[in-house]
Amino acid sequence: EPEVTQTPSHQVTQMGQEVILRCVPISNHLYFYWYRQILGQKVEFLVSFYNNEISEKSEIFDDQFSVERPDGSNFTLKIRSTKLEDSAMYFCASSDPLLAGTDNEQFFGPGTRLTVL
Amino acid sequence: GEDVEQSLFLSVREGDSSVINCTYTDSSSTYLYWYKQEPGAGLQLLTYIFSNMDMKQDQRLTVLLNKKDKHLSLRIADTQTGDSAIYFCAEKTGGGNKLTFGTGTQLKVEL
Repeated sequence: EPEVTQTPSHQVTQMGQEVILRCVPISNHLYFYWYRQILGQKVEFLVSFYNNEISEKSEIFDDQFSVERPDGSNFTLKIRSTKLEDSAMYFCASSDPLLAGTDNEQFFGPGTRLTVL
Repeated sequence: GEDVEQSLFLSVREGDSSVINCTYTDSSSTYLYWYKQEPGAGLQLLTYIFSNMDMKQDQRLTVLLNKKDKHLSLRIADTQTGDSAIYFCAEKTGGGNKLTFGTGTQLKVEL
């Protein structure tokens, strides 16, 4: 069964460093998403991406964040200058609105745990 | 704005029914979802309900929606040890695809 994959599973970085989190969405999906979950808190929406542009973003997704689909398979989240409060589990998801019988169901990856020291 | 709340823990005996509750605030919710997260895994969609329905049954899972009280519940019949996981309630509102999640309920199934 196709699945969303994410790398790395755990990333440790120093405050102020740039990080790139990588995701490979399900191959025929058209919408891509990033969510995050700070330890002990809710899963929060960051951004959705469709047709090579951001379709929706939250207040969390400020100028320090960017997303890119550099080729036909990867979807990346870049944090330019990490802060301690960026430490969280980051989930990638993808969906296909044309998939019959579903409600544009979002399929989630296993997450990347980002630790900022 | 949207807010979704759940209780944090639930413990049941194997074979009993589990009921996980969720409340939400946005009356314009279009779809409401239940996701399951097992250790080390992503969020797996279990079931969803459209906001104009009040009940949906899918094998051992029953979803009840009380739109007036903005209350959603997930009932798992004959709970098994493999059902031990974190269960997230989520809503989709408006025309976009953004999901708003609750904090998750940790279900522990005891023998």
